[in-house]
Amino acid sequence: AQSVTQPDIHITVSEGASLELRCNYSYGATPYLFWYVQSPGQGLQLLLKYFSGDTLVQGIKGFEAEFKRSQSSFNLRKPSVHWSDAAEYFCAVGTSQGTYKYIFGTGTRLKVLA
Amino acid sequence: GAGVSQSPSNKVTEKGKDVELRCDPISGHTALYWYRQSLGQGLEFLIYFQGNSAPDKSGLPSDRFSAERTGGSVSTLTIQRTQQEDSAVYLCASSLGDRGHGYTFGSGTRLTVV
Repeated sequence: AQSVTQPDIHITVSEGASLELRCNYSYGATPYLFWYVQSPGQGLQLLLKYFSGDTLVQGIKGFEAEFKRSQSSFNLRKPSVHWSDAAEYFCAVGTSQGTYKYIFGTGTRLKVLA
Repeated sequence: GAGVSQSPSNKVTEKGKDVELRCDPISGHTALYWYRQSLGQGLEFLIYFQGNSAPDKSGLPSDRFSAERTGGSVSTLTIQRTQQEDSAVYLCASSLGDRGHGYTFGSGTRLTVV
């Protein structure tokens, strides 16, 4: 069965600083990988996704993520954080066969300092 | 509809009462998912429906939980004899049913059992 680990529960960065949120997955074949963002009191919004092709994927709001098979990672990055990026971020993994459900990590809460 | 609609947005119920949570997916989306998000926790998979296939109920925590999807569209999640540990945000999502498309989430129903 697939699994996802987000090692950082909380991250605090200053506005304008760069950001990297970590995600590690466990799955025997090529996974489908996703990053979602959840603002307070809201549902989850898809930031970006990967399942084949270029390992560096671009998403909305200036985010990007890089798939590294050798490290079983799919880290989310942003070169310059804005105060509006403060939210909770979830990594998710789906499989290439069998169940269609995604498994989500426990999330990383991002705080942005002015 | 334009997005995934969930109702009610908030529900307070007394312990032991039954509750019904409703999800109206995006028109044309064949797959529908229910997840539960408890305070400080990630997203816990509950159940998903894919077209006319039998639903995957593997995430339902007890036989007090059930769900149905009528006419391949609207879904209702029912919790019988609610307990305090059922307090959580219940999120519904829908998708086109292919593995890599990603889900579109509703804003959730916050259930509080008192």
